[in-house]
Amino acid sequence: GAGVSQSPSNKVTEKGKDVELRCDPISGHTALYWYRQRLGQGLEFLIYFQGNSAPDKSGLPSDRFSAERTGESVSTLTIQRTQQEDSAVYLCASSLGHTGELFFGEGSRLTVL
Amino acid sequence: KQEVTQIPAALSVPEGENLVLNCSFTDSAIYNLQWFRQDPGKGLTSLLLIQSSQREQTSGRLNASLDKSSGRSTLYIAASQPGDSATYLCAVRDSGGSNYKLTFGKGTLLTVNP
Repeated sequence: GAGVSQSPSNKVTEKGKDVELRCDPISGHTALYWYRQRLGQGLEFLIYFQGNSAPDKSGLPSDRFSAERTGESVSTLTIQRTQQEDSAVYLCASSLGHTGELFFGEGSRLTVL
Repeated sequence: KQEVTQIPAALSVPEGENLVLNCSFTDSAIYNLQWFRQDPGKGLTSLLLIQSSQREQTSGRLNASLDKSSGRSTLYIAASQPGDSATYLCAVRDSGGSNYKLTFGKGTLLTVNP
């Protein structure tokens, strides 16, 4: 596609449920990032994928969070046993190479009741 | 550890005014710097990318400058319009081994009044 695509755009879930967020990067972009943005806060780095290299998972806040990416295509961010503190906008970004211009999707807004 | 600061946190100007947004960073060993805008409830839109070897970049009414040695970048917006109202963020990518990582400022909320 022309840009980074994320789904769902909005997700409301109950505390304790699992959620899966999807990111489809720009075709050909080898680097993919996930960020979290809580209401009124800055961007918080979660995880980085580059091609077939081992991902940098250093930003994942707990073991309830995991992410996968197959090759240079779609990535999924999974949050298990969601908590109210997980409520945020989850933003995905991709770039051509690990130092290129970063392009963001519209985000997935997660609300945990 | 790189820290990025944006001042002011909020700015309100009348339509037509020229304005400058500031971004400062603590570690001058950067690879590049990128400016974004974010509209409410939306993702970030890339505005300009400046490589460490460059002094400025221009796109339409926007001009971004970089003074790496002093750890500063400015985003100049000429003849501001109500449609420019958004939050503007700068992000710095360090040089070195982890240069895939960006450090973001908290942004400047710009309101352009008609």
